[in-house]
Amino acid sequence: DTGVSQNPRHKITKRGQNVTFRCDPISEHNRLYWYRQTLGQGPEFLTYFQNEAQLEKSRLLSDRFSAERPKGSFSTLEIQRTEQGDSAMYLCASSYEIGDGENIQYFGAGTRLSVL
Amino acid sequence: EDQVTQSPEALRLQEGESSSLNCSYTVSGLRGLFWYRQDPGKGPEFLFTLYSAGEEKEKERLKATLTKKESFLHITAPKPEDSATYLCAVRGYTGTASKLTFGTGTRLQVTL
Repeated sequence: DTGVSQNPRHKITKRGQNVTFRCDPISEHNRLYWYRQTLGQGPEFLTYFQNEAQLEKSRLLSDRFSAERPKGSFSTLEIQRTEQGDSAMYLCASSYEIGDGENIQYFGAGTRLSVL
Repeated sequence: EDQVTQSPEALRLQEGESSSLNCSYTVSGLRGLFWYRQDPGKGPEFLFTLYSAGEEKEKERLKATLTKKESFLHITAPKPEDSATYLCAVRGYTGTASKLTFGTGTRLQVTL
């Protein structure tokens, strides 16, 4: 399978705990994105990387959230001191883009987080 | 700020009953309009991208069209397997011009 891979698929945690999600993009893709989706809503942009550089962060990404993409390969999204409002599906997407060319983002299956 | 509004929120069709989904958008310079399909519990699956007014793309029973203010996803003679949420997204020139701004989607149910 050469698609975007996300782990774990489901995570249940207690309020106040830290959680970390992993995303493995399509191998030749240089851009990686994180989105969050709540029930009945479309995905909302959180942050994106070009290679290992984090180039944009949404206002939604509070200081409890941190994302990394070491060596420009896989990425991790960590949420510290989780709150019930963090319960959502966390989606990762990747794309290949050089300059101002076409950009099609391919999504993984997501990690569903439930904070009790 | 880029905005996307989709209508209707939900649509129920009988098999073979054609219809259209609407996506209205405002964007600071359109770099692309995207249609995705999302099944319950799964990530969005890419369908089409459109770049300029007048552009059309087709795939099986689906056809996407684009004007300067909206896009339509036409579904011809749908089948039950077309049941899903259809998401519209735009990419504009805000920020680093890479993020997608999504609408809330249209939930389509096709019955026998």
